[in-house]
Amino acid sequence: DQQVKQNSPSLSVQEGRISILNCDYTNSMFDYFLWYKKYPAEGPTFLISISSIKDKNEDGRFTVFLNKSAKHLSLHIVPSQPGDSAVYFCAASGGFAGNMLTFGGGTRLMVKP
Amino acid sequence: EAGVTQFPSHSVIEKGQTVTLRCDPISGHDNLYWYRRVMGKEIKFLLHFVKESKQDESGMPNNRFLAERTGGTYSTLKVQPAELEDSGVYFCASSQAGNTEAFFGQGTRLTVV
Repeated sequence: DQQVKQNSPSLSVQEGRISILNCDYTNSMFDYFLWYKKYPAEGPTFLISISSIKDKNEDGRFTVFLNKSAKHLSLHIVPSQPGDSAVYFCAASGGFAGNMLTFGGGTRLMVKP
Repeated sequence: EAGVTQFPSHSVIEKGQTVTLRCDPISGHDNLYWYRRVMGKEIKFLLHFVKESKQDESGMPNNRFLAERTGGTYSTLKVQPAELEDSGVYFCASSQAGNTEAFFGQGTRLTVV
């Protein structure tokens, strides 16, 4: 059973608009959440994270929102740029710092110029 | 600062042969992880080292997989004998002690024919 799910396999957005990527999880033990970006033939690159004690974390154009009661998080990219086109993975961890990551299946974002 | 490096980047072997993947983590990172992505699906955890000790190997598929981390520095992942279902991209990641944000290598694409 998949404990972290990204239900949209792909998303297409116009340059300059907002991109919203969604992620749902089922394991209540998860208390730390991360987003990674992946280009073809490269490894995932850490983007932004959020602890379960917060509901929002912002870093430049990237904001992650966490809704613990719904077991849902989202990544907002504003404004979207063509260079943001990549596969975005949601990941979750719990128990102790440095514990393993459980990944979702990824969402392919395409930002059109 | 050098990132996580993996060798080789690609490997094509025949079923029944042995393959050894190598990972050099970021210097000073105590945590080292192996993950695998099969058929473009989600990235799945294999095992976690803290320094030279195996913290968690619950994701290892079977006893054909053997991981070592010599002296708490680089790590190897040996598959012996390889089977067709072992094909995929193997990622290594590392993080500092007490940190969950892991930095990934570029991956090794293993193809078993």
